[in-house]
Amino acid sequence: AQSVTQPDIHITVSEGASLELRCNYSYGATPYLFWYVQSPGQGLQLLLKYFSGDTLVQGIKGFEAEFKRSQSSFNLRKPSVHWSDAAEYFCAVGARNNDMRFGAGTRLTVKP
Amino acid sequence: EPEVTQTPSHQVTQMGQEVILRCVPISNHLYFYWYRQILGQKVEFLVSFYNNEISEKSEIFDDQFSVERPDGSNFTLKIRSTKLEDSAMYFCASNPRPGANYGYTFGSGTRLTVV
Repeated sequence: AQSVTQPDIHITVSEGASLELRCNYSYGATPYLFWYVQSPGQGLQLLLKYFSGDTLVQGIKGFEAEFKRSQSSFNLRKPSVHWSDAAEYFCAVGARNNDMRFGAGTRLTVKP
Repeated sequence: EPEVTQTPSHQVTQMGQEVILRCVPISNHLYFYWYRQILGQKVEFLVSFYNNEISEKSEIFDDQFSVERPDGSNFTLKIRSTKLEDSAMYFCASNPRPGANYGYTFGSGTRLTVV
C-alpha cells in the first residue's frame, strides 16, 4: 500500500523568503502525487499534481513541485512566500484504481 | 467551478447519539469518499463508494460507521453511538473515475464535536 512521509511538522519562514516543503512517498509502482493546502477552518485545496511526463509541475499560487523517482520525493517549492501562504500543507499519493493517502502535514508560519 | 457541498459545517452531539453527515458530490462524479482529520493530525481515509456499494474501507471504518447514497444527489456518512474520539473534521470527496488519477474534489468539511 502507498504511504507518505512529511518529515517537517512545522516550518517558519520570513515573508519574501523561499520555501521548500519535503515529501517522501512509498509505492511500488508509478505514483500519482499531490499537494493540498488547508487554511485554518477550511477544506482542502489542490495546489498541484503529478501523474507523468515533466517532473517539474507548476501549480496555483506560484507553487511548484519536483518529482524525483530516485529519491522517492515530491518536494513543494515557492521562490517567495507571502503572508497569505501560512497554512497546513499536505502531500498525498495515489495510483490508478487506488485511493489517495495523505501525509501528516506541514504547518507553515510566515514571519513579517 | 463545480463544488462538493457538505452540511452541516459544524455539528455538536452528545456521546452515544447517532449523527448523519451529508455531502452533495459533483453531479457527474461516480466515486465518493469520506476522510477524517482529528484535530492536529493527518487526513485519514475512511471509505470509498461506487455503484451503491463500498469499494474499500480502512480499519477505522468499523461497524459504527455506514455510508449511503439515499437518492441521486446525497452521499451520507452515519456514525452510530458516537464516541468522544469521533470528534474530528470529516471531509467528503468525489471523483469522476476510480483512483487518484484526477485528484479528488474535496468539500469544506463538517466539524463534528462529541461532548
